[in-house]
Amino acid sequence: QKEVEQDPGPLSVPEGAIVSLNCTYSNSAFQYFMWYRQYSRKGPELLMYTYSSGNKEDGRFTAQVDKSSKYISLFIRDSQPSDSATYLCAMKDNDMRFGAGTRLTVKP
Amino acid sequence: NAGVTQTPKFRILKIGQSMTLQCAQDMNHNYMYWYRQDPGMGLKLIYYSVGAGITDKGEVPNGYNVSRSTTEDFPLRLELAAPSQTSVYFCASSYPLSGEQFFGPGTRLTVL
Repeated sequence: QKEVEQDPGPLSVPEGAIVSLNCTYSNSAFQYFMWYRQYSRKGPELLMYTYSSGNKEDGRFTAQVDKSSKYISLFIRDSQPSDSATYLCAMKDNDMRFGAGTRLTVKP
Repeated sequence: NAGVTQTPKFRILKIGQSMTLQCAQDMNHNYMYWYRQDPGMGLKLIYYSVGAGITDKGEVPNGYNVSRSTTEDFPLRLELAAPSQTSVYFCASSYPLSGEQFFGPGTRLTVL
């Protein structure tokens, strides 16, 4: 079993849709949970950063962590074509582990 | 600030050749990292450094070497290139123990 599992997609949605991206993990020691966004042929950039369980909202983006289920989610409301990118979940205790990334396309 | 810079952007190597991928950051971060990214596989840590003169292996260090003589620079060396090293290489930096890593634009390497 991989330490971090993420559905690679691809995921294609119409503009304005609500997008749900998910990761599961096996290491209960992870304390910090992140979502990175990676545009084509660019390096990843941090989108959301949460500590332990709960929700965090930033504009159209909401990150959710459920440590009891070892499950994290990223929701994108009112998705825009500019949200088209690969989204990588990442988790950290002493070391950082990344998911494989989900490629999202938002069609106008 | 330029952030994290990497050179070259692209490179094609023949099997057995050597090369150095350059990485520099101007944010005065102590921690620096090298990752490789293969399709559908996410980012795998090759080596990391917690400060000048200190380096350590990550998940996939075989076939690579690093050095860290200054806070700013963290070059990655491939000694005998193999087709399995065809990948996109990202350098990143961060403050100590932070989950926020700042990535460079990547180097696309093909070994034929």
